[in-house]
Amino acid sequence: LAKTTQPISMDSYEGQEVNITCSHNNIATNDYITWYQQFPSQGPRFIIQGYKTKVKNEVASLFIPADRKSSTLSLPRVSLSDTAVYYCLVGDVRTGRRALTFGSGTRLQVQP
Amino acid sequence: DVKVTQSSRYLVKRTGEKVFLECVQDMDHENMFWYRQDPGLGLRLIYFSYDVKMKEKGDIPEGYSVSREKKERFSLILESASTNQTSMYLCASSRTGVGSYEQYFGPGTRLTVT
Repeated sequence: LAKTTQPISMDSYEGQEVNITCSHNNIATNDYITWYQQFPSQGPRFIIQGYKTKVKNEVASLFIPADRKSSTLSLPRVSLSDTAVYYCLVGDVRTGRRALTFGSGTRLQVQP
Repeated sequence: DVKVTQSSRYLVKRTGEKVFLECVQDMDHENMFWYRQDPGLGLRLIYFSYDVKMKEKGDIPEGYSVSREKKERFSLILESASTNQTSMYLCASSRTGVGSYEQYFGPGTRLTVT
C-alpha cells in the first residue's frame, strides 16, 4: 500500500483558504486519492476523492499533479467548524478488497 | 440516510474478560472494517471483511478476532482483554465498485480495560 506523508498540524484564520498537501511517492496506477475529515469523538467523514487533475465538490477541491506523487486538499474560506483532523489516503478502489491505511492526519486549527 | 451503528459508545471491562464489539450497517455494503484509534497514531486497521464469512487481517490483528455471519453485521472480539487494548474502536462499511471508496463510519466505542 502506498504510504502517505502530510503535515502534523496547521493553523489558519476564519475566511482564509487552507491547502493541505499530502505526499504519496509510491502511488500505484490503480490507486485513487481520498480525503477524510474527523471531528473529536466522531468517526471520519468522507470529503473528496480523485484520480488525476482537479476534482471539486461543494465542500472542497482536490488538486492532483500529472505525476500523482502528491495531492492538495483545498478548503475555501474556512470557518471555526472546519477545525478537525484531515486524513489523506491512497488505495485501489476497484475491488474494495484492499483496505486503505489511515495515517496520523493533519490537525487543522481555525482561529477567529 | 446511511447508517453504521455500534453497540456501545462507552465500555469498561476487566483484564482477561472476553469482549464483543458489535457493528451493524443498513446500506447493504459488501465491505466492513474495524479500526482502533489512539492519540498520535491515527486510525489503524485491525480486520476487514469483504463478504459474509470472509475476513482479512489488517495492520494490527494480534489479540483480536472477528466474525461476519450476516452481511450487515461485523463483530470484533477480544478473547482476553488487556490494558493495552484500551482505545477508541471504530467500525466502517463500504461498497465494492469502481470509482468509489467512501467508507461510512460508526460513532465509535471507547473501551477501557482495567
